Amino acid sequence: LAKTTQPISMDSYEGQEVNITCSHNNIATNDYITWYQQFPSQGPRFIIQGYKTKVTNEVASLFIPADRKSSTLSLPRVSLSDTAVYYCLGISGGYNKLIFGAGTRLAVHP
Amino acid sequence: GAVVSQHPSRVICKSGTSVKIECRSLDFQATTMFWYRQFPKKSLMLMATSNEGSKATYEQGVEKDKFLINHASLTLSTLTVTSAHPEDSSFYICSAFPETSGQETQYFGPGTRLLVL
Repeated sequence: LAKTTQPISMDSYEGQEVNITCSHNNIATNDYITWYQQFPSQGPRFIIQGYKTKVTNEVASLFIPADRKSSTLSLPRVSLSDTAVYYCLGISGGYNKLIFGAGTRLAVHP
Repeated sequence: GAVVSQHPSRVICKSGTSVKIECRSLDFQATTMFWYRQFPKKSLMLMATSNEGSKATYEQGVEKDKFLINHASLTLSTLTVTSAHPEDSSFYICSAFPETSGQETQYFGPGTRLLVL
């Protein structure tokens, strides 16, 4: 299971782009880099997943360099509702257990 | 995405009683489900892996006789907190893997808030 390191917290303002970087130096060849978002008193919500290069969906973009030792979640034009905790994980199969790190607590201000 | 539900969303019970929490995969089958516990301002901690038709696998430090898990069907897993005590008060979350989704990921339920008085 890949050990991940993220900033504990970040602050931003409405309308700005937010980039959250995750370090995963020992990521396994089979691991997919996956990001979840969690609001208070709710279960985590899947945001995006990628293996390498760039992945984009309607919510975010995920940038993964060639060495795959880190990844960056990019949230375009954040709003107050993006205030949440964001978790980065390496997943090598849906059947495998997930070990969550501390995550990044993002606060978006007016 | 796939939908996972939990019931109840919150429960208050007296110390010494047992509480059952249900986790259902609504639009897919799941032979494997997972149970997590989360304390305020903390990350999710994996408690156990629930396997349909077989015994659950518990993480180190989790008492299997206290947290009973039953995965009787491909869409339902239950977690029973037996003889609950105030220190068992927490947010319990389940997850499941949609085997035919084509994605290597799990989907989480909305969580169950347990308060033991």
